[in-house]
Amino acid sequence: DAKTTQPPSMDCAEGRAANLPCNHSTISGNEYVYWYRQIHSQGPQYIIHGLKNNETNEMASLIITEDRKSSTLILPHATLRDTAVYYCIVRVASQAGTALIFGKGTTLSVSS
Amino acid sequence: GAGVSQSPSNKVTEKGKDVELRCDPISGHTALYWYRQRLGQGLEFLIYFQGNSAPDKSGLPSDRFSAERTGGSVSTLTIQRTQQEDSAVYLCASSPRLVHGNEQFFGPGTRLTVL
Repeated sequence: DAKTTQPPSMDCAEGRAANLPCNHSTISGNEYVYWYRQIHSQGPQYIIHGLKNNETNEMASLIITEDRKSSTLILPHATLRDTAVYYCIVRVASQAGTALIFGKGTTLSVSS
Repeated sequence: GAGVSQSPSNKVTEKGKDVELRCDPISGHTALYWYRQRLGQGLEFLIYFQGNSAPDKSGLPSDRFSAERTGGSVSTLTIQRTQQEDSAVYLCASSPRLVHGNEQFFGPGTRLTVL
């Protein structure tokens, strides 16, 4: 699996957009970009995933660069409850499902 | 609907004792994963079950660790002769069999403390 690089921490003011970057310069053509987050003392939570097109759901938007070497997770209006560690993972998606390889992620701190 | 559940939520044991951790995946999910998370660290993959296929045990750190999945549903992770370095949160996740997506649903974890 391709390796990802994320900043260790970021701060964001409540109500503002949180933009979390991820570099994955060695990503292969069949690898998807997944984002999970882990709120303190809870299990990880799936947020969004994409291959090459930008994606949006009720939680976030995912912007993937044209060369697919980096992506940005956008939380459009961050709240205090969005304070968590955010993990960017690249992975081949297969029918069987495969274990996720979590790095150290980005600790996002949202403050009022 | 019911999510992934794990029991116990907390377990304190003495070094050298055996422990069993239980995971109830979401009904109908064919894939089940065990991960370990030490304090302040990321998740480490331990073992993966997919349907009736042989499990992927490549992440198990030693032969003291084993896991079973009975009837394609409930799973038990067993740690024999526990050591202090086994102290961690043990997380279970399940996922449906999808063409793509690989979304994993995590349980709340079992916090294991080995004294």
